[in-house]
Amino acid sequence: SQQGEEDPQALSIQEGENATMNCSYKTSINNLQWYRQNSGRGLVHLILIRSNEREKHSGRLRVTLDTSKKSSSLLITASRAADTASYFCATDAVRIKAAGNKLTFGGGTRVLVKP
Amino acid sequence: DTEVTQTPKHLVMGMTNKKSLKCEQHMGHRAMYWYKQKAKKPPELMFVYSYEKLSINESVPSRFSPECPNSSLLNLHLHALQPEDSALYLCASSQGLRGSNQPQHFGDGTRLSIL
Repeated sequence: SQQGEEDPQALSIQEGENATMNCSYKTSINNLQWYRQNSGRGLVHLILIRSNEREKHSGRLRVTLDTSKKSSSLLITASRAADTASYFCATDAVRIKAAGNKLTFGGGTRVLVKP
Repeated sequence: DTEVTQTPKHLVMGMTNKKSLKCEQHMGHRAMYWYKQKAKKPPELMFVYSYEKLSINESVPSRFSPECPNSSLLNLHLHALQPEDSALYLCASSQGLRGSNQPQHFGDGTRLSIL
């Protein structure tokens, strides 16, 4: 079952505009991660925010985390046509005894940036 | 180019065939993962390997058989698959530091079609 639910499911904007997408989850988390997936490609890690952090920036990306509301948002500023992709949030909620981590992905937001 | 390499990129097989998917990483990561992704859906975790040992099997049917011959390689052996197994199969790796927050690095996947 999906831990994270994202909205909107799809977003269409003009180049230069900002894009905001939201992720909600159900259980306590260790961290929340955002990934981008271009059509026909694998996922690319964008940003990781820990459960004790509230906001994080990376270039044109801004991620917020509200653990009281169990929600996160990803903001892409000054969007470019190259930002056209699907964006997924993923929660790392379970500490596994072995090395590695178990991610549960949200349904994703498909973003189209029109030139 | 991604640092996780998956071969083949595309695979078409009949329901009685036996084939293998391969994944390779040279980042020294000690955790490796297999995911299944259907069109317009998020990736779903199948298996986690930690230090070459299977640590998580998400109740995957036995017609999928994972193998980790060494710390750099991960295979997924396929036998007697069903048409509903057609999907993009993604391999990922992460550092594998126990209990730490870590991103996963994904390959571009193998697109599998079952006839």
